[in-house]
Amino acid sequence: GENVEQHPSTLSVQEGDSAVIKCTYSDSASNYFPWYKQELGKRPQLIIDIRSNVGEKKDQRIAVTLNKTAKHFSLHITETQPEDSAVYFCAASLGGRRALTFGSGTRLQVQP
Amino acid sequence: NAGVMQNPRHLVRRRGQEARLRCSPMKGHSHVYWYRQLPEEGLKFMVYLQKENIIDESGMPKERFSAEFPKEGPSILRIQQVVRGDSAAYFCASSPGEIDYEQYFGPGTRLTVT
Repeated sequence: GENVEQHPSTLSVQEGDSAVIKCTYSDSASNYFPWYKQELGKRPQLIIDIRSNVGEKKDQRIAVTLNKTAKHFSLHITETQPEDSAVYFCAASLGGRRALTFGSGTRLQVQP
Repeated sequence: NAGVMQNPRHLVRRRGQEARLRCSPMKGHSHVYWYRQLPEEGLKFMVYLQKENIIDESGMPKERFSAEFPKEGPSILRIQQVVRGDSAAYFCASSPGEIDYEQYFGPGTRLTVT
């Protein structure tokens, strides 16, 4: 079936290190890939997104890469800070639909 | 510039009662989406609506759940005869229009069924 797989489920890094979260998707017709950050008890917050006609996008310490051939995309956070600690979700608009299919989430812990 | 608004933020219902969740999209947004999040899990798509139209309800349970987005007023997700398994956070998101895919989420309604 249509799904989005996300790894790892938990990630612990030291402050200042980089963090990488990876997702794979099943449908080659998917064309939009956002990443959300969710703090405990809060709403998911859009932090960066990428479309299928772009291979990489960067916004300050955050970058996303997309490999359409392999059907995977990754979130890269550099110079991590304790306030980056949260659950991160990848998502994809599978089959070009507007509805988003979410990964299962990665709990990122940045140790000071 | 108000973001997506949802009310109530917390809702407690007994088994068999009805739950009504409301969502007002961001100003200028005409597309609304509902997602459900169980504790410690990801978000699952339920339904996508535009004004007066249901566009995609492929994630909506066939029974007891319905959604609407009337010409005037907020979008409403209605759950009839709630059961314990309906306890979850229900998030609404909105996006601007036909070519903009970005979805911005509201604060959610946390439904507890006792």
